Amino acid sequence: LAKTTQPISMDSYEGQEVNITCSHNNIATNDYITWYQQFPSQGPRFIIQGYKTKVTNEVASLFIPADRKSSTLSLPRVSLSDTAVYYCLAGSGGYQKVTFGTGTKLQVIP
Amino acid sequence: DAMVIQNPRYQVTQFGKPVTLSCSQTLNHNVMYWYQQKSSQAPKLLFHYYDKDFNNEADTPDNFQSRRPNTSFCFLDIRSPGLGDAAMYLCATSSNRPPSAVHGRERANIQYFGAGTRLSVL
Repeated sequence: LAKTTQPISMDSYEGQEVNITCSHNNIATNDYITWYQQFPSQGPRFIIQGYKTKVTNEVASLFIPADRKSSTLSLPRVSLSDTAVYYCLAGSGGYQKVTFGTGTKLQVIP
Repeated sequence: DAMVIQNPRYQVTQFGKPVTLSCSQTLNHNVMYWYQQKSSQAPKLLFHYYDKDFNNEADTPDNFQSRRPNTSFCFLDIRSPGLGDAAMYLCATSSNRPPSAVHGRERANIQYFGAGTRLSVL
């Protein structure tokens, strides 16, 4: 299982773009990078997943460089409701166990 | 529209009194997981079922057991809860459908979590 490393916490003002970087130096060839969001007293929720280059959905963008040893979750124009913990995971498709890293606690400031 | 449902949301038990937490899913996923999450920590995998096959994590205490009577339901039994077992317990499901050979065309395993059960031990 690839180990991931993220900043423990980040602060951002409302309306700004937030970029959270995740390091996964020992990522395997078959591993995908998946990001989850967790609000207090709720279960984690899938945000976005990618294998390489760039993936964008209605919530976020995910940038993965060619060497795939890191990835960056980009949240456009954050609002107060984006205050949450964001987890980056690396694992293969199909049946898998995952290990949650420490996550990044994002605090959006008015 | 909840797809993974955990009951109850809050559970209070006494020290040493057995307690059961339940999880049900409408996704027809073949893999179900139980995580323990303590305050300000990441979720920690306790065990998972791949279909009916039970897979225990090496460091999961014997005090924790699980049952999966059918695809839709999974239970977490804590035989003798201690004060250190107070936590949020999260159930998750996933399908073991692998990603396509063309990377990015299909999503790899994504876990769908319930809202969790917060367990207090008095």
